[in-house]
Amino acid sequence: AQSVSQHNHHVILSEAASLELGCNYSYGGTVNLFWYVQYPGQHLQLLLKYFSGDPLVKGIKGFEAEFIKSKFSFNLRKPSVQWSDTAEYFCAVYSGTGRRALTFGSGTRLQVQP
Amino acid sequence: EPEVTQTPSHQVTQMGQEVILRCVPISNHLYFYWYRQILGQKVEFLVSFYNNEISEKSEIFDDQFSVERPDGSNFTLKIRSTKLEDSAMYFCASRILGTGINTDTQYFGPGTRLTVL
Repeated sequence: AQSVSQHNHHVILSEAASLELGCNYSYGGTVNLFWYVQYPGQHLQLLLKYFSGDPLVKGIKGFEAEFIKSKFSFNLRKPSVQWSDTAEYFCAVYSGTGRRALTFGSGTRLQVQP
Repeated sequence: EPEVTQTPSHQVTQMGQEVILRCVPISNHLYFYWYRQILGQKVEFLVSFYNNEISEKSEIFDDQFSVERPDGSNFTLKIRSTKLEDSAMYFCASRILGTGINTDTQYFGPGTRLTVL
């Protein structure tokens, strides 16, 4: 069965610091990868997704993620965080088996201090 | 921008009672999902629904759960006899028909927090 690991459970940064959140998945076949964000009191929103092609994917609000197949990773990055980026971030994956149910990681709570 | 909506936002119930959680998916979407998140744990898939039938379900989705699309707009999750361990945030999601980068995105509702006492 596929699984997703997010190793950073809680990250605290100052504004303007750079961000990298780790995501590793376990599935050897074709995968589709997603990062969702949940701002306080709001629903899950899609930040970015990877299906194929360029492994460096750009999303909304200045976020990007890099798919590294050899490392089974899809880390999320942002060069300079803002206080408004305070949220919980979830990595998720579809496997290539036709299943269209997302498997989520445990989430990373990001706290950006002004 | 169209959104998935869910009602109620918070439901408190007694153990053993039946609850129905309601979702209104985005209007032209045809795949519907329920997920749940127990406090402090991962978001977990429960069930997917297409063409008026369950297309996939997880091991969590046992006989006490059921889903229904009673009309053209609502998608409901029923828990027949709630247990303490059913306390969680329940998320509905929907996506448009098809596969590929423009159709494989699930759009989530704000969730219903279910508290079983």
